[in-house]
Amino acid sequence: GESVGLHLPTLSVQEGDNSIINCAYSNSASDYFIWYKQESGKGPQFIIDIRSNMDKRQGQRVTVLLNKTVKHLSLQIAATQPGDSAVYFCAENGSSNTGKLIFGQGTTLQVKP
Amino acid sequence: DTAVSQTPKYLVTQMGNDKSIKCEQNLGHDTMYWYKQDSKKFLKIMFSYNNKELIINETVPNRFSPKSPDKAHLNLHINSLELGDSAVYFCASSQIGQRSTNEKLFFGSGTQLSVL
Repeated sequence: GESVGLHLPTLSVQEGDNSIINCAYSNSASDYFIWYKQESGKGPQFIIDIRSNMDKRQGQRVTVLLNKTVKHLSLQIAATQPGDSAVYFCAENGSSNTGKLIFGQGTTLQVKP
Repeated sequence: DTAVSQTPKYLVTQMGNDKSIKCEQNLGHDTMYWYKQDSKKFLKIMFSYNNKELIINETVPNRFSPKSPDKAHLNLHINSLELGDSAVYFCASSQIGQRSTNEKLFFGSGTQLSVL
């Protein structure tokens, strides 16, 4: 079946360091990928998205990399701050055009001061 | 100003009861969703409505009945609540449009349902 997974359940980084959160997806028909951040007690918030015709997209302090050959997605956060502490989810659209997103398990990012 | 708002934030109830969660979006989107997040933080889609029409029903027990009176509202009614229904339920919306291209989902802040 369709699944999106993350390699590590928890990532601990020092404040100021760069963070890299990885994700593997299984559906080669997916053409849209997205990262969300979820803080405690809140709903997932959009961070950045990328379509399959690109392999890199940059936002403010965040970069998403897409490697379709190995079906791998990563989120890089530059100069990680305490406010970046949250659970991060990757998601893909699978083979659906209904707007549905399939989420991975989530990686908890802990930022140490 | 909240884009996707859902009520209540917390819902504590006894097994066997019937309860509803309401959701409204003011983004003008044409598609709304219900997702369930379990204790391990796994997010799974339950339903989706596009312009008041059901387009996704992910083998959810028929005790769960979504209702969309208009494209800005998608409510979730749950009959005969069970212990396993305890979770956080998120409403979301997006704009798919006629091209059926995927766009980001905007999520509400969640309803924490606890069935005792």
